[in-house]
Amino acid sequence: GAGVSQTPSNKVTEKGKYVELRCDPISGHTALYWYRQSLGQGPEFLIYFQGTGAADDSGLPNDRFFAVRPEGSVSTLKIQRTERGDSAVYLCASSNTTLGSPLHFGNGTRLTVT
Amino acid sequence: AQSVTQPDIHITVSEGASLELRCNYSYGATPYLFWYVQSPGQGLQLLLKYFSGDTLVQGIKGFEAEFKRSQSSFNLRKPSVHWSDAAEYFCAVGGGATNKLIFGTGTLLAVQP
Repeated sequence: GAGVSQTPSNKVTEKGKYVELRCDPISGHTALYWYRQSLGQGPEFLIYFQGTGAADDSGLPNDRFFAVRPEGSVSTLKIQRTERGDSAVYLCASSNTTLGSPLHFGNGTRLTVT
Repeated sequence: AQSVTQPDIHITVSEGASLELRCNYSYGATPYLFWYVQSPGQGLQLLLKYFSGDTLVQGIKGFEAEFKRSQSSFNLRKPSVHWSDAAEYFCAVGGGATNKLIFGTGTLLAVQP
């Protein structure tokens, strides 16, 4: 079946610009996660959605980062006034809500801020 | 604080040799433990998971891992490595209401012919 889909796969933007990254989770998965992976590092948690609401946004680094999931399916991660330090691969994952269910990851969006 | 340590940043093994990748965790409650593999340009793929019960778990591609509570470890093993196993391997711990995972920094595996 279809996995987690992320678009675009690559995004190059100039410092100071606004970007949106999209995630289409596995159908029926109510839990959705955003992670950020910098070069040589493991994925770092950003935000978790249960349905339409952000149940845990403790990983967002600052108020330039925001994410939405208005209909409980597709999610968009939004970054304002991008900085070169935002360059990373942004990963989306989804899962069902059973405790301990594994996360299913997309291939990520590689963001480069020049 | 919750954390995962993968002490080996880079490991090289010969094809056909055995493999063990180390993982230690710190978690306040009963942990759920996972190993993921990431090939270049690919997303993270789940290799195996431990929730409870038998402490030796089997995964895909011939991998297994053993949970040792006394050592807070969850090491990944494979008896005979194939060239296609070259990738980066991540250990992760999760649990709690959100199921969110905390990842280690990864171990990059190279396989020599």
